[in-house]
Amino acid sequence: DGGITQSPKYLFRKEGQNVTLSCEQNLNHDAMYWYRQDPGQGLRLIYYSQIVNDFQKGDIAEGYSVSREKKESFPLTVTSAQKNPTAFYLCASSTRQAGNSYEQYFGPGTRLTVT
Amino acid sequence: GENVEQHPSTLSVQEGDSAVIKCTYSDSASNYFPWYKQELGKGPQLIIDIRSNVGEKKDQRIAVTLNKTAKHFSLHITETQPEDSAVYFCAARRRLDEAGRRALTFGSGTRLQVQP
Repeated sequence: DGGITQSPKYLFRKEGQNVTLSCEQNLNHDAMYWYRQDPGQGLRLIYYSQIVNDFQKGDIAEGYSVSREKKESFPLTVTSAQKNPTAFYLCASSTRQAGNSYEQYFGPGTRLTVT
Repeated sequence: GENVEQHPSTLSVQEGDSAVIKCTYSDSASNYFPWYKQELGKGPQLIIDIRSNVGEKKDQRIAVTLNKTAKHFSLHITETQPEDSAVYFCAARRRLDEAGRRALTFGSGTRLQVQP
C-alpha cells in the first residue's frame, strides 16, 4: 500500500463515543487526505492537509476533526456529532514538489462500525 | 465544483474479452485524470493516469483515452483476466480548485467481474 499505514483495520464503537483513526506515511509526502467511502459509492473528501500544522475542510467535514503536528501523521477523529459514522475510511498522501504529478496514494483503509 | 459521472456501475465480461469504462466530467479546467483499482477490503491502487495535454496513454493491457472537447475519458482493459475483477474508479482534478486545493473528485465506481 505504498508506505501508508492505517490502523486499526476494523474498529467498533458505541454511538456517542469519539474515535480516532490513525494514518502514518513514510513517503516524505507533504499533502495528506482523508476520504470516506460508503457502499456502492465513490470517495468523498473529509479533510486534507498540504503541510504540517495546516489543514482544510473537504466536502463533508461536519462531525470530523483532524490534526497535522507531524509530516508523517494525519489522525482523523470521528466525533459523536457525525450523524452516520459507519463507513470505510481511507487516508491518502501526495507530494507537492514542483515537477511531480501529485498522484495520490492510498492506505489500506479502516472500516468503522458504530452501533 | 467538479462532477464526475461513471458508467456502467457493473460490468461482466468473459476472460479474454475487452472491458471499457467511461467517465464524463463537468469542469473544463480539470487537467488530471487518474484511474484506481480497488480490491475488496483494500485501499484504491493507482493503475494509470492521463493529463490534459495528451489524448491517449497505454500501459500493457490498460489504456486510457481523453476527449477534452467532449469532456470524457475512458479506461480500456484488453485480454481481461480473472484477477482484473475489482471495482474501478475514475477521478478528475483541477490544477487548483476554488478552495485552492488539489482535490480529486471521484466517480461512483464500476464493479468489473471477469468470468473464467
